Parts: sequence; structure tokens; C-alpha cells
Amino acid sequence: AQSVTQLDSQVPVFEEAPVELRCNYSSSVSVYLFWYVQYPNQGLQLLLKYLSGSTLVKGINGFEAEFNKSQTSFHLRKPSVHISDTAEYFCAVRQNNAGNMLTFGGGTRLMVKP
Amino acid sequence: NAGVTQTPKFQVLKTGQSMTLQCAQDMNHNSMYWYRQDPGMGLRLIYYSASEGTTDKGEVPNGYNVSRLNKREFSLRLESAAPSQTSVYFCASRAGGHLYEQYFGPGTRLTVT
Repeated sequence: AQSVTQLDSQVPVFEEAPVELRCNYSSSVSVYLFWYVQYPNQGLQLLLKYLSGSTLVKGINGFEAEFNKSQTSFHLRKPSVHISDTAEYFCAVRQNNAGNMLTFGGGTRLMVKP
Repeated sequence: NAGVTQTPKFQVLKTGQSMTLQCAQDMNHNSMYWYRQDPGMGLRLIYYSASEGTTDKGEVPNGYNVSRLNKREFSLRLESAAPSQTSVYFCASRAGGHLYEQYFGPGTRLTVT
């Protein structure tokens, strides 16, 4: 089964600074990858997904992620963060089985400071 | 269009009590999932239902049962709650085919004392 590792449990950053949240996955033939965001006391919302095609994927709220097959990474980036981006971010990989389950990383808490 | 709804939002149980968490989706999705979220561990799959009439175990099924009542509804039952089941529970659904993203409900915060 595929697995996902999010290398940073917390990332503090000042408002308007750039940010990168790191995600690495275990290697497989076909990989479908996702980033979700969870605002406090809410469910998860899909930010972006990579299924195939261009390795640079653009999502909502100005986020983007780059699929790097050689480094088995799918890092999430934003050039300039806002206070409202404070949330927990989860990377996930689709399991290639009948249930098409998602396996999630442990999450990264992004804390944007004024 | 409410998406995925869950009830209740909060619940406190004593050890040994039972309860059922309800989940419903109005997107006509085929697959539904139950996760638990614990600090630092991300979301872990408890059970899933790939289609109406089928259910399968996920990563952490012990202590839980599920019912796919119809295409819309997927419930999670704790027969005898334990403090280790204190967690936030999320239900999710997926359309099917090559649409792999899942849509999540708002969660149920469960405390077992």
C-alpha cells in the first residue's frame, strides 16, 4: 500500500511571505495525489489534485503544487500567504484498490503571523 | 445542495455505552467512507462502502460497525465505547469512476469518559 509523509508538523510564517509545505509519497506505478485544507472546527476541503498531465497543479486560494516523480514529492506552495490561510493541510494518495481509498499524511499546521 | 451532513456534531459517552453516528450525502455518490482524526496521525480509514450494499474494513475497524442503509446514508456504530475511541469522526463520499476526490462532512467530536 502507498504511504504519505508530511515532513513538518507545524510551519510558522509571517503574512505575505512565501510558504512551502512538504509531502513525500512511496513510489508506485500510477500515483494520484491530493492536498486538502482543514480550517478550525471544519471538515476537509479539496485544494488541488494531481491525476496526470502537467506536473504543476494549480488549486484554489492561490495554492499550487508540483509533482516530482524522481523525488517522489508533491510539495504545496503559495507565493504570499494571508492570515486566513492559517489551517491544517493534509497530503493524500489514492490507493489503487477496489475502494479507491485515500491514505493521508499526518498533517501540517500552517500558522500565519501578522 | 447540502453536500455531506453528519449528526450529531458533539457527543459525550461513558465507557460501555453505544451510539450511532449518522452520515448522509445528497450528491448521488457511489462510495462513502468513515475516518477518525487524531492529533498528529492525520485521518485513518475505519470502514468504507464502495457502492450501495457493500461495506469493507479500512485501517482501524476494531470496535466499530457500519451500515450502508441506502445510496445516501452510511452510519457508524460504536457498540461499547472505550476511551480510545475519543476522536473526531469524519464521513466522506466519492462520485466514482475516475473522480477520485472525496467530499467531507463537518465531523462529529466524540468524547468517551
